Amino acid sequence: EIVMTQSPATLSVSPGERATLSCRASQSVSSNLAWYQQKPGQAPRLLIYGASTRATGIPARFSGSGSGTEFTLTISSLQSEDFAVYYCQHYNNWPRTFGQGTKLEIK
Amino acid sequence: QVQLVQSGAEVEKPGASVKVSCKASGYTFTSYDINWVRQATGQGLEWMGWMNPNSGNTGYAQKFQGRVTMTRNTSISTAYMELSSLRSEDTAVYYCARGGILGYWGQGTLVTVSS
Repeated sequence: EIVMTQSPATLSVSPGERATLSCRASQSVSSNLAWYQQKPGQAPRLLIYGASTRATGIPARFSGSGSGTEFTLTISSLQSEDFAVYYCQHYNNWPRTFGQGTKLEIK
Repeated sequence: QVQLVQSGAEVEKPGASVKVSCKASGYTFTSYDINWVRQATGQGLEWMGWMNPNSGNTGYAQKFQGRVTMTRNTSISTAYMELSSLRSEDTAVYYCARGGILGYWGQGTLVTVSS
């Protein structure tokens, strides 16, 4: 089983600033990596797939990068609606494990 | 538009089973896998398994092997996840999600296991 590790667990950033979230896989997942955003009481929402492709309707301030075992989600200029929990998940093989999440909070 | 609509909240006793449904609309049901993911209160997302609605083939996380069964009824575009031998640690919101990349999610079903 591939273990996905996200860092940091909590990230405090001011609105308008940049946020950088990290995800590491215990073995290579190629570019088979997705990012999800989850707000309280809601189902997760797909942001990024293929490590760097934005899902339909996702604003350009969200970008993903990386391949193999190291991945990054960057939010270029934080808006109030971006404060949420973010999860990475690989889909390279089964089981399709998630990271433990990064909570992005307002500083 | 693509929608996944799940069944309502359930309360079960330890040792019982629960069956959650996920009705798909807005696309061809047999064209995309259905995955099941759960989330305990205040915790992260946990992938449980997948099902191919066309073939019925399934794959389960080892943690749930022997306790989970994923099935479907293609005539009504509905997927099911049944979890047996419930224990308190199974209290969680259970989600269905479409595809290998989880692009569409159901609204979630709260399953509470309590005596």
